[in-house]
Amino acid sequence: EAGVAQSPRYKIIEKRQSVAFWCNPISGHATLYWYQQILGQGPKLLIQFQNNGVVDDSQLPKDRFSAERLKGVDSTLKIQPAKLEDSAVYLCASSFLGGLGQETQYFGPGTRLLVL
Amino acid sequence: GNSVTQMEGPVTLSEEAFLTINCTYTATGYPSLFWYVQYPGEGLQLLLKATKADDKGSNKGFEATYRKETTSFHLEKGSVQVSDSAVYFCALSLPGANSKLTFGKGITLSVRP
Repeated sequence: EAGVAQSPRYKIIEKRQSVAFWCNPISGHATLYWYQQILGQGPKLLIQFQNNGVVDDSQLPKDRFSAERLKGVDSTLKIQPAKLEDSAVYLCASSFLGGLGQETQYFGPGTRLLVL
Repeated sequence: GNSVTQMEGPVTLSEEAFLTINCTYTATGYPSLFWYVQYPGEGLQLLLKATKADDKGSNKGFEATYRKETTSFHLEKGSVQVSDSAVYFCALSLPGANSKLTFGKGITLSVRP
């Protein structure tokens, strides 16, 4: 079974530029999560989708971050414009159903972003 | 709010030593508890989990018991190997539509031969 795919793996941009990350979850998984992991910290949820609807985006800085999951499968996370403090690893995860609180979330390898 | 606190790291052990990594949590409701591991160059993967009080999760020689009275989920292994060197994250999630994971800061374990 293929795992969660993410691209690119690494990205270096200058502040005020824009960047986009892509995620393809495990086939059949209804729930997709984007987490931000700043160096030395645990991952923090940015946004959670159930199929193509948003369940939680309370921690998403909506003035600069946006995300979509148009067909309920793959997803794109965008930052525009980027700030220095956005330097982090962006992790995508998926789970079969979500909503039970005990399901395993499967993580992709992450995209490491450096903003100069 | 919900939070997870892990002991400060890093931790360095010799091979075959006993490992304990402390984790305590604060949560409204009845969380499920998880340990995730991140090996060098790889993504996060589930190590073990427990979904109710007194449950014990186990995998690859690691164990953790869900202790509601002390709000803890400490990770233990009787004899660590060099291949256990990784970053370990404790996390919780609550039942409901929002099933996000709340993570601790993580702790780096290095095992020397």
